[in-house]
Amino acid sequence: SQQGEEDPQALSIQEGENATMNCSYKTSINNLQWYRQNSGRGLVHLILIRSNEREKHSGRLRVTLDTSKKSSSLLITASRAADTASYFCATVLRGSTLGRLYFGRGTQLTVWP
Amino acid sequence: DSGVTQTPKHLITATGQRVTLRCSPRSGDLSVYWYQQSLDQGLQFLIQYYNGEERAKGNILERFSAQQFPDLHSELNLSSLELGDSALYFCASSVDGAWDSPLHFGNGTRLTVT
Repeated sequence: SQQGEEDPQALSIQEGENATMNCSYKTSINNLQWYRQNSGRGLVHLILIRSNEREKHSGRLRVTLDTSKKSSSLLITASRAADTASYFCATVLRGSTLGRLYFGRGTQLTVWP
Repeated sequence: DSGVTQTPKHLITATGQRVTLRCSPRSGDLSVYWYQQSLDQGLQFLIQYYNGEERAKGNILERFSAQQFPDLHSELNLSSLELGDSALYFCASSVDGAWDSPLHFGNGTRLTVT
């Protein structure tokens, strides 16, 4: 069963615009991670935010985490055509010492030049 | 390039057959994970190994088995294949298998069962 659910399922924007994707999860977590997957390729780790953190930045990426609402958002600023990919949130359940990740179904982002 | 190598890239086989998928983790990584990605189920965790030992088991069918060898490469064996086993199978590795270590994914093996 899916632990996380991304919203929207698909997002289409123009280059230069910001893209915001949301993730909601069901049970308490140790951390939440975002991954990107280009078509037919493996997933690439983007950013990890721990349960005691509220916001994290990495380049053009900004991730927020609200544990009271069990939700996270990924913001990509000044998007580029190369950002076109599927984006997944993944969680490590609270109390787990292992790196097992539970993935959502992803948001398909299309950035038009 | 993640440094994780999976072979073969594509595999087409018939129902009832057995196949072996191979994974070489990133240099220095001790933990290997296997995931199955399909359109209807999304990304499903199958199994995790750390330094040759099984650490966690997920939605892995009894027809599937895996192991991690002393040189840290891993193999996923799928037997008595069914049409529903058609999917993309990913291997991922992390340095220590801990909860705060990001996973590095290979490009997957696309299995088609006909």
